[in-house]
Amino acid sequence: EDQVTQSPEALRLQEGESSSLNCSYTVSGLRGLFWYRQDPGKGPEFLFTLYSAGEEKEKERLKATLTKKESFLHITAPKPEDSATYLCAVQARGADSWGKLQFGAGTQVVVTP
Amino acid sequence: KAGVTQTPRYLIKTRGQQVTLSCSPISGHRSVSWYQQTPGQGLQFLFEYFSETQRNKGNFPGRFSGRQFSNSRSEMNVSTLELGDSALYLCASSLTGRESGNTIYFGEGSWLTVV
Repeated sequence: EDQVTQSPEALRLQEGESSSLNCSYTVSGLRGLFWYRQDPGKGPEFLFTLYSAGEEKEKERLKATLTKKESFLHITAPKPEDSATYLCAVQARGADSWGKLQFGAGTQVVVTP
Repeated sequence: KAGVTQTPRYLIKTRGQQVTLSCSPISGHRSVSWYQQTPGQGLQFLFEYFSETQRNKGNFPGRFSGRQFSNSRSEMNVSTLELGDSALYLCASSLTGRESGNTIYFGEGSWLTVV
């Protein structure tokens, strides 16, 4: 069965203090690994999709990387507005995974001024 | 471009009642998925529809059902509500849901409280 584990569960950072979030996964065949940001009371906001090991994508202060077993979300010089829960999800290959994402529990990030 | 729209945003129901939630996907998207989010279980997949057909279903009881219309809009229904059904219900849409490169976008969700 597909599994996604995120660590740490919570992360408290000072403004400007860079850090990384981890997402380890087991899946029979990976179609894509997704990163989302979720603010309290709102739906997940799409950040990145990664498809193959070695792939990297960047957006402002965020950079996502992918290996065969895990993905990292690097937050460089974070600002208070980067405070959110970051969710990792995988979509497996195969007809029984069409439209289906398996999510991790998320990492709650708080950035203080 | 309008995003995924869900209605209603908030609702309160009594145990034993039923509820219907609505989702309008992004224009041109034909795959619609539904998820339940709770503090204890996180985000869990309910089911997915494409061209009015349910293609995949998660591990939820038969009280949870859905449908998709010819314009790709979707509804989900929960019958005989239980206290444990209190959750944020999220709808997501993508072009086809199966090809690499199909980004999956979420709506803001419908908050259901069962009392």
